[in-house]
Amino acid sequence: DAKTTQPPSMDCAEGRAANLPCNHSTISGNEYVYWYRQIHSQGPQYIIHGLKNNETNEMASLIITEDRKSSTLILPHATLRDTAVYYCIVRVARGSNYKLTFGKGTLLTVNP
Amino acid sequence: DSGVTQTPKHLITATGQRVTLRCSPRSGDLSVYWYQQSLDQGLQFLIQYYNGEERAKGNILERFSAQQFPDLHSELNLSSLELGDSALYFCASSVGGLSQETQYFGPGTRLLVL
Repeated sequence: DAKTTQPPSMDCAEGRAANLPCNHSTISGNEYVYWYRQIHSQGPQYIIHGLKNNETNEMASLIITEDRKSSTLILPHATLRDTAVYYCIVRVARGSNYKLTFGKGTLLTVNP
Repeated sequence: DSGVTQTPKHLITATGQRVTLRCSPRSGDLSVYWYQQSLDQGLQFLIQYYNGEERAKGNILERFSAQQFPDLHSELNLSSLELGDSALYFCASSVGGLSQETQYFGPGTRLLVL
């Protein structure tokens, strides 16, 4: 799986949009971008994933650049409960690589 | 709530002992994954089972073993425990075990080896 680079920490004001960047410059054409988050030692929670098109669900939006070398996870109206470590993971869409490879992620702190 | 359950939530034991962690996947999911999260190593993949068969192995120690039963629940057995085995152990499940499927994680078991 391609390596990802995320800032170690970010702050966001409650009610504002949180934009979490991820660089994955070595991503291959058959690799998806996944986002998970982990709230203080709870099990990682799936947020969203995409291949090349922008994606949106009830939790967040995922913006992938045209060259697919970076992406941004957007939480449109951050709340205190969104304080967590956010992991950007790139994984192949087919084949035998079933595991999720977690890096260090970004600690997002939402402030009141 | 992901639908994945794990028991026990907490486990305290001594070095040299053996413990068993249990995981029940989401209803309908055939694949189970085990991950270990320690302070120094982060979240690491240990092993995957699909419909009772071992599918993939990660950095799992020889002292650790797992199995998936006919009712699809899985157990992770940790033996000859060492202080360094203290960690959070997470189980995840997915529908069929294909690499593009979303994995849903349980709440974890916190193991403390004294």
